[in-house]
Amino acid sequence: KAGVTQTPRYLIKTRGQQVTLSCSPISGHRSVSWYQQTPGQGLQFLFEYFSETQRNKGNFPGRFSGRQFSNSRSEMNVSTLELGDSALYLCASTIIGAPGANVLTFGAGSRLTVL
Amino acid sequence: DQQVKQNSPSLSVQEGRISILNCDYTNSMFDYFLWYKKYPAEGPTFLISISSIKDKNEDGRFTVFLNKSAKHLSLHIVPSQPGDSAVYFCAATKTSYDKVIFGPGTSLSVIP
Repeated sequence: KAGVTQTPRYLIKTRGQQVTLSCSPISGHRSVSWYQQTPGQGLQFLFEYFSETQRNKGNFPGRFSGRQFSNSRSEMNVSTLELGDSALYLCASTIIGAPGANVLTFGAGSRLTVL
Repeated sequence: DQQVKQNSPSLSVQEGRISILNCDYTNSMFDYFLWYKKYPAEGPTFLISISSIKDKNEDGRFTVFLNKSAKHLSLHIVPSQPGDSAVYFCAATKTSYDKVIFGPGTSLSVIP
């Protein structure tokens, strides 16, 4: 079956702009989580959506937002981009309620560069 | 406040020897722990997990040990292979429905 698909894979933006990233989870997976990866910081949790509702949220400013659609696809948006937002943004999906529910399946990520 | 810590940013091991990657956590409520491996330009992939009711879980060359009293877990890879060279992330969560918290990662290099 198809894996987690993230688009775009690479993008370059300038400070002050906004960006929208998309994530299509594995078919049947209803939970989508977003992470930011920067060197030395590992994977920082952004938020998690389940059934179109944000269920968990990390410690990021309000410039970072997300949503989930009825087909479980998710988008995240970053407004007023800053240089420090340059990172790899990873999306992961999981089945909720099944054994191993915490085993996240990740996409390849969207590499954002802010100039 | 980093709840999951991996204090070794990098580790080099000779092919065929044992690789030991360590992880410490601060939140005693965590009850499920996972290890992920990440190659450049790819997303992390699940490697092995362990529940807090166990102290050891084994899957082929990979074994995870959990010491709850010390809030410490380790991943053993035996024997190490060059293809194991990657960044390894330790992760933890409180319940099946809670967020998964990752450590900063350890870059493993297996030297042929």
